[in-house]
Amino acid sequence: NFMLTQPHSVSESPGKTVTISCTRSSGIIGLDYVQWYQQRPGSAPTTVIYEFNQRPSGVPDRFSGSIDSSSNSASLTISGLKTEDEADYYCQSYDSSDLWVFGGGTTLTVL
Amino acid sequence: QVQLVQSGAEVKKPGASVKVSCKASGYTFPNYAIHWVRQAPGQRLEWMGWINVGNGRTKYSQKFQGRVTITRDTSASTASMELGSLRSEDTAVYYCARVTEISDYALDVWGQGTTVTVSS
Repeated sequence: NFMLTQPHSVSESPGKTVTISCTRSSGIIGLDYVQWYQQRPGSAPTTVIYEFNQRPSGVPDRFSGSIDSSSNSASLTISGLKTEDEADYYCQSYDSSDLWVFGGGTTLTVL
Repeated sequence: QVQLVQSGAEVKKPGASVKVSCKASGYTFPNYAIHWVRQAPGQRLEWMGWINVGNGRTKYSQKFQGRVTITRDTSASTASMELGSLRSEDTAVYYCARVTEISDYALDVWGQGTTVTVSS
């Protein structure tokens, strides 16, 4: 099976932009959708991006997703950072056998 | 409203099995797959498997293959996950989650989580 590797933590100031990467170990990143989840302490995750770059209703357009075929990775970008964006973020994808994988998670600190 | 309500916390001894249930309401149960995800204290989300509620087909993570069984009872709108041969490393919060209305590849409705503690 494959792995999704994320940075352990990132930090940035309010109002700035941050990007979280998610690198797929094997298989082509662009062939299988990537989703991004936000998880605040003590709560279940919520989807902020699905199918690479789609935002569920209610998710602000400060959140965007993309992929980079050259690095076989996906990215979540959050612009205009707010303190409420502090959370853990997980990428998720799957393979041709419908087996899913979550990334290791990235803790975002807005300071 | 659409919701998934899970069974209560469990304490089990090593080697035992645990079965967690997930009752759905507010939508047509057979139309949406259910996934199971766990999270050990302070750790990452870990995908365990999923069930096509309509036809009962299942897929399991290789890590749990042989130890986990996911089932559904469409008459009761309930999905269940049973994990056997428990060890201390299985202490975690276990979530069921439903795929979204607009994508089969993302999860949008989550249960409240069930804490399973494995301790002698």
